Amino acid sequence: QVQLQESGPGLVKPSETLSLTCTVSGGSFSSYFWTWIRQPAGKGLEWIGRIHSSGSTNYNPSLKSRVTMSVDTSKSQFSLKLSSVTAADTAVYYCARVVVKPSERRYYFDSWGQGTLVTVSS
Amino acid sequence: EIVLTQSPGTLSLSPGERVTLSCRASQSVSSKFLVWYQQKPGQAPRLLIYAASSRATGIPDRFSGSGSGTDFTLTINRLEPEDFAVYYCQQYGTSPSFGQGTKLEIK
Repeated sequence: QVQLQESGPGLVKPSETLSLTCTVSGGSFSSYFWTWIRQPAGKGLEWIGRIHSSGSTNYNPSLKSRVTMSVDTSKSQFSLKLSSVTAADTAVYYCARVVVKPSERRYYFDSWGQGTLVTVSS
Repeated sequence: EIVLTQSPGTLSLSPGERVTLSCRASQSVSSKFLVWYQQKPGQAPRLLIYAASSRATGIPDRFSGSGSGTDFTLTINRLEPEDFAVYYCQQYGTSPSFGQGTKLEIK
């Protein structure tokens, strides 16, 4: 069964860049989309963006100007960078696997990391 | 951007009851893209329903989904104590989005 684990600094200063990595184990990395989602404390889920193992990306339009995602297939990892952070970016950040199987009408996030809290504060 | 609005925000019910949660989209969503997740405190969301009405692996048959176009529902028959959680709908399109969630609490 595939497992995902987020890693990165838990504290980032305002105006700096948040950087997180998600390591995938126990399953195939190639041919999947991978995604980042965040959740401020006590609030709902916000989709940040997705990246294919080939490197193609799609970002949430509201965050697009500040988001960069990358992939390292040799390490089964994908990464998130969010620039110019403010307190509003404080949240639990989740990585997840995206299942896309049109012939089976399957489009969803099926395996999630445990989440990592990132706090933006000086 | 497709906005999903879930109602009600919070529901207080007792085990054994039946509940229907609503998810309304700001524009038509293909049913193949409509997904439901369950989230418990301190945990990542868990996939429940995909393609509006298909249960994910291991999900009990007391959970069912339906709907089309802009109106979708998640129904839970005979609530179990472990079903009290927050439920999110999601549309998987060019720019996926989530509803704001419905919290199901024990009465």
